[in-house]
Amino acid sequence: QVQLQESGPGLVKPSGTLSLTCAVSGYSITSGYYWGWIRQSPGKGLECLATISHTGSTYDNPSLKSRVTISVDTSKNQFSLELNSVTAADTAVYYCARNEFGVGYFDLWGRGTLVTVSS
Amino acid sequence: SYLVTQSPSVSVAPGETATITCGGNNIGSKGVHWYQQKPGQAPVLVISYDSDRPSGIPERFSGSNSGNTATLTISGVEDGDEADYYCQLWSGGSDHVVFGGGTKLTVL
Repeated sequence: QVQLQESGPGLVKPSGTLSLTCAVSGYSITSGYYWGWIRQSPGKGLECLATISHTGSTYDNPSLKSRVTISVDTSKNQFSLELNSVTAADTAVYYCARNEFGVGYFDLWGRGTLVTVSS
Repeated sequence: SYLVTQSPSVSVAPGETATITCGGNNIGSKGVHWYQQKPGQAPVLVISYDSDRPSGIPERFSGSNSGNTATLTISGVEDGDEADYYCQLWSGGSDHVVFGGGTKLTVL
């Protein structure tokens, strides 16, 4: 079955760059759908950061657009997130997920990875 | 940007019907999706496009959307339904994906 797995450092220093990768198994990214990153701050709700297609088309959250870079590597069947100039407010569980067409529903999710911003 | 509102909490007894709402301006004109999230787990899609139920989701879960309110209904609530529920939509144009703040369902 299709699975998504996040990976990356669990601790990032303030003003640094948060970098995460989502490996997709059981489905080729080039077969369709969009792929995205959603985060959830401790005890808070969900926030979509960005989504990307296998061709590189993106939908970006305007509130974070200047700090977020999303990219796709079809040769490795994975996609990645970079969030720069992080602060404690960026501490959250980061999920990768499959999206219907970029701004549609998310039908498959990774288990999530906690990233803490602290010195 | 488009704003959606959810009541923070809903409580029901087992076997009763839970109604969880998502409010927004003319939300009935938009496709609303619903997710269930249990503690320590990733969200799970339970309803797409107002009322479509993905494979594997019990028939007890249903949805509707009209006017300024979208509704997730859980009939015959079970202990295992205790979770946070989030609505999500795209308001269109240059807006991005929007999530509601979530509703905590407590089974008494």
